[in-house]
Amino acid sequence: GEDVEQSLFLSVREGDSSVINCTYTDSSSTYLYWYKQEPGAGLQLLTYIFSNMDMKQDQRLTVLLNKKDKHLSLRIADTQTGDSAIYFCAESYNQGGKLIFGQGTELSVKP
Amino acid sequence: DTGVSQNPRHKITKRGQNVTFRCDPISEHNRLYWYRQTLGQGPEFLTYFQNEAQLEKSRLLSDRFSAERPKGSFSTLEIQRTEQGDSAMYLCASSLTGAVTGELFFGEGSRLTVL
Repeated sequence: GEDVEQSLFLSVREGDSSVINCTYTDSSSTYLYWYKQEPGAGLQLLTYIFSNMDMKQDQRLTVLLNKKDKHLSLRIADTQTGDSAIYFCAESYNQGGKLIFGQGTELSVKP
Repeated sequence: DTGVSQNPRHKITKRGQNVTFRCDPISEHNRLYWYRQTLGQGPEFLTYFQNEAQLEKSRLLSDRFSAERPKGSFSTLEIQRTEQGDSAMYLCASSLTGAVTGELFFGEGSRLTVL
C-alpha cells in the first residue's frame, strides 16, 4: 500500500543539527524526495535520493536511506531560523511519476 | 519561464456552487498533476495527465470532480456542487518524462473556501 509517515513537529536551537525522519512502505520506489514548504509558498524540492543509494550529501543537507527498514532521514547541519518550514518526505510510486507525500514535519528553529 | 501558474489563488464560494481552477504548467513539461492539501496534511494525489491523456485518477476524485487538459498544455479542475469538505488548497505540479530526478515542480496553489 501507499503510506508515508513522518513525525509532526521538531524544535531545535539555531546552530544545532536537525534530523527529520520518515518511513515509507513501497519497496519498489525508485526515488525518495524531501520537499520544503514555507508559509504562502509552493513546495520546493530540497533534495532526492536514488533507492540504490545509502547516503547523499548536498551542502548542509545529508539524506540517509535504510532500505531494509524503509526509513529515510534528512539532517540539516547548522540549522538557521530561515530553515523554519514544513518538510515533506515523498516517494515515487509505480514508475508513474506521481509522488506520495507524508503529512509533513514542522521544523521550528529558535534563536 | 516563470514556473507553474495557478488561478485563481483564492476562491470563496457557497455550498452547492461550481468552481473551476486553472493550471499553466512549465511550458516544456508533458506531465501535469493535481493534488489536494488540507491543513496539517501532506498533499494528496488526485489525478495526472501525460500530454492530453488522463492516466490516473485517485479514489479521492469523486464524480463531482473533473479535470481536463484538452491541448496538452494548461489544465482545469472543476468541482461541481461544492461541499464544505471540499475546502482545501488545490495544488498543481508539472514534470518532464525522462527527467533524471522525476522532480515535480509545484505552483503556489488555489485555496478553496466553501461556506
